[in-house]
Amino acid sequence: EDQVTQSPEALRLQEGESSSLNCSYTVSGLRGLFWYRQDPGKGPEFLFTLYSAGEEKEKERLKATLTKKESFLHITAPKPEDSATYLCAVAGNNRKLIWGLGTSLAVNP
Amino acid sequence: DTGVSQNPRHKITKRGQNVTFRCDPISEHNRLYWYRQTLGQGPEFLTYFQNEAQLEKSRLLSDRFSAERPKGSFSTLEIQRTEQGDSAMYLCASSPEYRVDYGYTFGSGTRLTVV
Repeated sequence: EDQVTQSPEALRLQEGESSSLNCSYTVSGLRGLFWYRQDPGKGPEFLFTLYSAGEEKEKERLKATLTKKESFLHITAPKPEDSATYLCAVAGNNRKLIWGLGTSLAVNP
Repeated sequence: DTGVSQNPRHKITKRGQNVTFRCDPISEHNRLYWYRQTLGQGPEFLTYFQNEAQLEKSRLLSDRFSAERPKGSFSTLEIQRTEQGDSAMYLCASSPEYRVDYGYTFGSGTRLTVV
């Protein structure tokens, strides 16, 4: 069964304290792994797609990496405006997006 | 193009009433998706359209739910005889086609509260 598990559920960091969020997945035929950011009361905002092991993508303070079993979202020197819920989703052979429950990140000034 | 637009942003309704939500996707996107999200959960797939054709419906979508996309442009999601369990954020997303590197563009959602 296709499944996505994100950890931790919640993370509190001090401004400038780097850390990583994890997304573990099982899927039949990975077509793509997606990272989204969601602010309270808003829809998810697309960040990255990764589709092969070893791939990395960067955007400002965020860097996403992918292995055959998991993806990491590394946050370098975070700022309070990085506070949000980060969602991971995978698409497999059936082309459906399977979503994780997200990691709620709070960055304190 | 200002992205995916959803209306209304908030809807409060009494149990048993019917509600209708509207989604205007990005104009060149031929795929449109409806999701439902409750607090602390990831989005749950409801249905999707390619142009005007509704290609898939989730088993979560009971007979009280219906979606349309006339002419392959905007879409509506109607919930008949609302129940308290229908209270959630209803999200619409669009994509140009199945291109894994594009992701989906989501709207800001319609928050439904059934009292």
